[in-house]
Amino acid sequence: DAGVIQSPRHEVTEMGQEVTLRCKPISGHNSLFWYRQTMMRGLELLIYFNNNVPIDDSGMPEDRFSAKMPNASFSTLKIQPSEPRDSAVYFCASSPTSGGPREDTQYFGPGTRLTVL
Amino acid sequence: AQKITQTQPGMFVQEKEAVTLDCTYDTSDPSYGLFWYKQPSSGEMIFLIYQGSYDQQNATEGRYSLNFQKARKSANLVISASQLGDSAMYFCAMREGRGGSYDKVIFGPGTSLSVIP
Repeated sequence: DAGVIQSPRHEVTEMGQEVTLRCKPISGHNSLFWYRQTMMRGLELLIYFNNNVPIDDSGMPEDRFSAKMPNASFSTLKIQPSEPRDSAVYFCASSPTSGGPREDTQYFGPGTRLTVL
Repeated sequence: AQKITQTQPGMFVQEKEAVTLDCTYDTSDPSYGLFWYKQPSSGEMIFLIYQGSYDQQNATEGRYSLNFQKARKSANLVISASQLGDSAMYFCAMREGRGGSYDKVIFGPGTSLSVIP
């Protein structure tokens, strides 16, 4: 079975440019999570969706960040305009969330390493 | 307040020896789940093991076991017979609640484990 797929794996862009990160969750999983990882702040939850609906976006740093999930198999995280402090590894994770505790285990994608110059 | 504490920023262990990575957590919810993830230098986050707050026995998965001490609110990961490939960052995480679409998972700061040949 394919795991969580993220693209691109690496992105280098200049300050002010728009960046779009993409995620395909594991088929059948109905929860999707976007995380950001930096040395200073560790792993931070940005937003999560359940059945394509955003449930909690309190971790989104500011209005420059937006996320969508138009269908069960695709999500995007967009940064516009990007800034150097956005440089980080962005992870997407999905979970089955069928109600049982083990079913809530999150499975992570390989991450996108973003560098904003 | 920190919900997940990992007091060992870095650990060393001799190959083939066992090692314990500490994790303490803070919650007032009687129902919660505890997870351990491994992040090798390649960057991916790998799910290792899960322990539910109502589980009667400590979780085990191959060489990984979880030393769950509920009264002390600790969930230490034990890796037996360490291998060079175990060198990685290890994250402890907690989900509060009985599971479902509205429960967040909170990650600790991580412990870097180095296995010495």
